[in-house]
Amino acid sequence: ETGVTQTPRHLVMGMTNKKSLKCEQHLGHNAMYWYKQSAKKPLELMFVYSLEERVENNSVPSRFSPECPNSSHLFLHLHTLQPEDSALYLCASSQGPSGGTSYEQYFGPGTRLTVT
Amino acid sequence: LAKTTQPISMDSYEGQEVNITCSHNNIATNDYITWYQQFPSQGPRFIIQGYKTKVTNEVASLFIPADRKSSTLSLPRVSLSDTAVYYCLVGEMDSSYKLIFGSGTRLLVRP
Repeated sequence: ETGVTQTPRHLVMGMTNKKSLKCEQHLGHNAMYWYKQSAKKPLELMFVYSLEERVENNSVPSRFSPECPNSSHLFLHLHTLQPEDSALYLCASSQGPSGGTSYEQYFGPGTRLTVT
Repeated sequence: LAKTTQPISMDSYEGQEVNITCSHNNIATNDYITWYQQFPSQGPRFIIQGYKTKVTNEVASLFIPADRKSSTLSLPRVSLSDTAVYYCLVGEMDSSYKLIFGSGTRLLVRP
């Protein structure tokens, strides 16, 4: 049990659909992250929220829109995606960066997204 | 952020000790070294973290020489379930959001 849950676990969507990925952490952390992992590629950091403010946006296309309504929930809104966006989307949380004694990140199980 | 270099893959057999070395020649004074493990279709999992010398926990040991330009993750007596990708990351404690995952080392443990 990682304390970080993600829903749905699998998602198939067409290029014109709009969908959202949800992440919830039960660890009392104050930072949350979205990562993308494509086949045979390293994890790519997409967005970081610290204390509900976005502190990092790694040149992610606007068809990905994050939302962090509170420190326990993180969403990734998807619209007009491309087939190359098919990947495993991972959410993580950590105590840091502010006030943390370790920057251990706890990851959820991921959402396997397929864009058709 | 310090760049890290690891072997792409390693093979081992059950019961053996596995040592995975990571190079980080540009490590900064405030940087810590952290290792994560990832199984297929799962998120990475924290294994161990250290700053210098040796750190040991219930699953692994981390050896860091005095110059800190490299580190070695040691997995004692591996089992088939240790087959995974292992990532070495380097960064400051206060910049946890700056973790950059490289390609990692794909460890295959054979019976």
